[in-house]
Amino acid sequence: GQQVMQIPQYQHVQEGEDFTTYCNSSTTLSNIQWYKQRPGGHPVFLIQLVKSGEVKKQKRLTFQFGEAKKNSSLHITATQTTDVGTYFCAGDTSGTYKYIFGTGTRLKVLA
Amino acid sequence: DGGITQSPKYLFRKEGQNVTLSCEQNLNHDAMYWYRQDPGQGLRLIYYSQIVNDFQKGDIAEGYSVSREKKESFPLTVTSAQKNPTAFYLCASNSGPNNQPQHFGDGTRLSIL
Repeated sequence: GQQVMQIPQYQHVQEGEDFTTYCNSSTTLSNIQWYKQRPGGHPVFLIQLVKSGEVKKQKRLTFQFGEAKKNSSLHITATQTTDVGTYFCAGDTSGTYKYIFGTGTRLKVLA
Repeated sequence: DGGITQSPKYLFRKEGQNVTLSCEQNLNHDAMYWYRQDPGQGLRLIYYSQIVNDFQKGDIAEGYSVSREKKESFPLTVTSAQKNPTAFYLCASNSGPNNQPQHFGDGTRLSIL
């Protein structure tokens, strides 16, 4: 079946350092979404990417969708303690309701 | 204030017992979802519903059942057939397919007594 993997599983960074998480799908995706889950909380939608090669920015966050639409990345510039949490990608293969969530990357920021 | 309400926040189940987790939304969304999250793990889809009176199995539906009699409500029953039910259960909704973001409730944490 379809799988969506994320690396790394964990990342500890010093405040001010950059952070990147990568999302890889076993099949081509029609679109991809990114969510952030704070410790003890629920996932919150960040952004979605639809087009091949698309790049979107939200302040210090940069999201990319690969040319083949099978991978994506989230890059955070100059991390802050408020960035702590687990970042998930979620892919949809056919424009249906069924999203497959990645395994998540847990980010810890050391002040 | 629109959103998704899950209850209870914490739930304990005895061996052989069925328990039902509530999920209500006032966002007028057509689609609703149930996910299971285990410690340090991603979200796995249990069931989803595209419209009232219709629902589909996700990747881990065994031991669970759902109903969708009203647009606002999508309760999940964890049956005694689910041998390892301890997990964090998240309900979500969105307005339909084609790139619609999912809105999540605060979750229910289920444990075995």
